[in-house]
Amino acid sequence: GQQLNQSPQSMFIQEGEDVSMNCTSSSIFNTWLWYKQDPGEGPVLLIALYKAGELTSNGRLTAQFGITRKDSFLNISASIPSDVGIYFCAGPVAGNMLTFGGGTRLMVKP
Amino acid sequence: DVKVTQSSRYLVKRTGEKVFLECVQDMDHENMFWYRQDPGLGLRLIYFSYDVKMKEKGDIPEGYSVSREKKERFSLILESASTNQTSMYLCASSLPLGEGNTGELFFGEGSRLTVL
Repeated sequence: GQQLNQSPQSMFIQEGEDVSMNCTSSSIFNTWLWYKQDPGEGPVLLIALYKAGELTSNGRLTAQFGITRKDSFLNISASIPSDVGIYFCAGPVAGNMLTFGGGTRLMVKP
Repeated sequence: DVKVTQSSRYLVKRTGEKVFLECVQDMDHENMFWYRQDPGLGLRLIYFSYDVKMKEKGDIPEGYSVSREKKERFSLILESASTNQTSMYLCASSLPLGEGNTGELFFGEGSRLTVL
């Protein structure tokens, strides 16, 4: 399937720091989705982006849909311990299926 | 509140055993999916179903089969479990893309399978 390359693979940061992660693809996507997986749970949708150049915020989270439609980034400001988890980018392929990036594991030190 | 329920959170099976992973959703969603999650590889699609008795192969269907006899239930079957199928398995459901639907996936909590 199509590949989404997500970086970094993991991050270990101090509480209060800002976080940035991104996702790139060799193919164009018309939608970018960012999910978060809390430890021991299934992923939950954080932000959905539908238009190239779109910048969307959800509390301390901000995500952007790249102009080329081949990338997206997710920023978290002023991180807190409950931000710990795995963050996945995803995009639709072949109708109703989603393809996912490899995930960014975030660890926050209080 | 929307709910996707996976029958077992943790399973330990022996090589060669037949394994059933059950998933039920209460949202009347047409689409249901089985993903496998492994460190560094993200979520890889095994199979999905867009209607009762319909199924499509995902990226890694080998060694797996599925069953969708009722709209709310989607089962993943490992006919003869092998050690390389030790993994976290995630079930998800969604409405079809379009008609105002985003295609957002709603995930279950996951089933961690260990094959010895």
